[in-house]
Amino acid sequence: QKEVEQDPGPLSVPEGAIVSLNCTYSNSAFQYFMWYRQYSRKGPELLMYTYSSGNKEDGRFTAQVDKSSKYISLFIRDSQPSDSATYLCAMSYGGGYKLSFGAGTTVTVRA
Amino acid sequence: NAGVMQNPRHLVRRRGQEARLRCSPMKGHSHVYWYRQLPEEGLKFMVYLQKENIIDESGMPKERFSAEFPKEGPSILRIQQVVRGDSAAYFCASSSGEGPETQYFGPGTRLLVL
Repeated sequence: QKEVEQDPGPLSVPEGAIVSLNCTYSNSAFQYFMWYRQYSRKGPELLMYTYSSGNKEDGRFTAQVDKSSKYISLFIRDSQPSDSATYLCAMSYGGGYKLSFGAGTTVTVRA
Repeated sequence: NAGVMQNPRHLVRRRGQEARLRCSPMKGHSHVYWYRQLPEEGLKFMVYLQKENIIDESGMPKERFSAEFPKEGPSILRIQQVVRGDSAAYFCASSSGEGPETQYFGPGTRLLVL
């Protein structure tokens, strides 16, 4: 069983729709949770991070963590074609540097 | 303010040759991390280095792979006697501290072994 599971998609939505992405994990020691965006042939770019259960908002992005269910989500409101990318969840132990990534979900937002 | 730089961006090697991947961290960053991304898989941690020190190489294959971060110059990931299974994207990240959210990634080197 993989430490971090993420549905690879692909996911295609019309412009303006809400994009919902999620990951599950098996290691209850994970304390930091992050979402990265990766455009084709580029490196991952950090979108959001959190270290507690609950919601965190940043503009059109909301990250949600449910530690009891070992489940994290990312929501993108009012999606734009420029949001088309692969979204990676990542997590690490408290204060740790070793990131464990999901396989990534490829999202296409249609104009 | 340049970000993390990696070169070459693309590298083609024949089986048995050596591959050298270079990473220049962001200015002011002294921590470097290497990750490997295989097709359809997430990034996998390989090694964590600080200047002249290997801190954690638990993700590195035991043979053929080595990494260094000298006092001067870029960090180098070296793969000897490459095999087709080494074909992947190799990403370097750098940070100024050890918090997981502080890592900034480079654009990656795509290695193709023929």
